[in-house]
Amino acid sequence: QVQLQESGPGLVKPSETLSLTCTVSGGSISSYYWSWIRQPAGKGLEWIGRIYTSGSTNYNPSLKSRVTMSVDTSKNQFSLKLSSVTAADTAVYYCAREGLRYPVFQHWGQGTLVTVSS
Amino acid sequence: QLVLTQSPSASASLGASVKLTCTLSSGHSSYAIAWHQQQPEKGPRYLMKLNSDGSHSKGDGIPDRFSGSSSGAERYLTISSLQSEDEADYYCQTWGTGSHVVFGGGTKLTVL
Repeated sequence: QVQLQESGPGLVKPSETLSLTCTVSGGSISSYYWSWIRQPAGKGLEWIGRIYTSGSTNYNPSLKSRVTMSVDTSKNQFSLKLSSVTAADTAVYYCAREGLRYPVFQHWGQGTLVTVSS
Repeated sequence: QLVLTQSPSASASLGASVKLTCTLSSGHSSYAIAWHQQQPEKGPRYLMKLNSDGSHSKGDGIPDRFSGSSSGAERYLTISSLQSEDEADYYCQTWGTGSHVVFGGGTKLTVL
């Protein structure tokens, strides 16, 4: 059974760059789309973007100017960078694997809380 | 614009059934969606993909108590024989142009 685990700093200063990594175990990262989703406390889910194992990306237009995703197939990992963060970027960040045929999130990580504060 | 609308809350008694609704915006009634469950303090869990004709494919290990159906622009999640662990937030999700993903606002289900 595939498992996903987010990792990265839990505290980021305003205007700096948030960096997270998702490690995939129990299966290969190859030939799937991988997404990042976030959830501010007490609020709903927001899709940030996705990356394919070839490195092609697709970002939420509302965040596109600040988002960069990358993939390292040798480590079975993919990563998120979000630049110029503000308090509004404080949220639990989830990584997820999409289905082979449709962009539905069939496997989710447990999430990691990132707080933006000085 | 592709939007999913969900009622903020719902409630039903232990052992009863409940039907949650996710409504697609005008012009998008043929879209498929997915349902996800988020129990308190946990990450979301994939329940099923639900097509416009009501056919659905469930995730691994999802009990038969969970089923989906469709009517026009509405997509439903029915949970029968409600158990205490079904108390959770339920989110619908779809995708539009360029496979950009959209989530509904979520429905908080209380089991009485």
